[in-house]
Amino acid sequence: GAGVSQSPSNKVTEKGKDVELRCDPISGHTALYWYRQSLGQGLEFLIYFQGNSAPDKSGLPSDRFSAERTGGSVSTLTIQRTQQEDSAVYLCASSLQEGGEQYFGPGTRLTVT
Amino acid sequence: QKEVEQNSGPLSVPEGAIASLNCTYSDRGSQSFFWYRQYSGKSPELIMSIYSNGDKEDGRFTAQLNKASQYVSLLIRDSQPSDSATYLCAALRRKTSYDKVIFGPGTSLSVIP
Repeated sequence: GAGVSQSPSNKVTEKGKDVELRCDPISGHTALYWYRQSLGQGLEFLIYFQGNSAPDKSGLPSDRFSAERTGGSVSTLTIQRTQQEDSAVYLCASSLQEGGEQYFGPGTRLTVT
Repeated sequence: QKEVEQNSGPLSVPEGAIASLNCTYSDRGSQSFFWYRQYSGKSPELIMSIYSNGDKEDGRFTAQLNKASQYVSLLIRDSQPSDSATYLCAALRRKTSYDKVIFGPGTSLSVIP
């Protein structure tokens, strides 16, 4: 079946602009995660959605970052007033249930110039 | 102390040898553990999950779990150059409000032909 999809695959934006990154999880997966990975670094947890529960936003680095998940499926990560340090690969993952095996999308490479 | 720790490497092994990747975790209540492989420029892909003490084998891969020592390992037999990648260990941390998978920083493996 179809895996996790993310769009766009690459995004170049100017400093100060807002960007939206999209994640479409595997059908039926109730949990959805966003991570950030800078070059040569590990995964940095950003936010986690589980079903209809309030999301775990503990990893969001600043109030410029927000995310929503509509209808328990597609999720959008929004970064406002982008900064150069926001440049990274943004990865989305989904799992069938809370705490289960996570399956990652191909990521969105964000470059802020 | 990080919740999930791994030796960052790089770990170099000759082709055909056994590669041993180690991981320790701090939350004694963790019940589920996962190993992911990440090729350079790609997103992580799940290799194995393990939930019970002992060994779990899947092809050339064997995961080992010792909850008393809070230790998880991944053995790769007959290592191939195509196994060269970063290997991420993850542990499920259970909390009263939600469960959360915590990733280690990863170990870089290089298999030398």
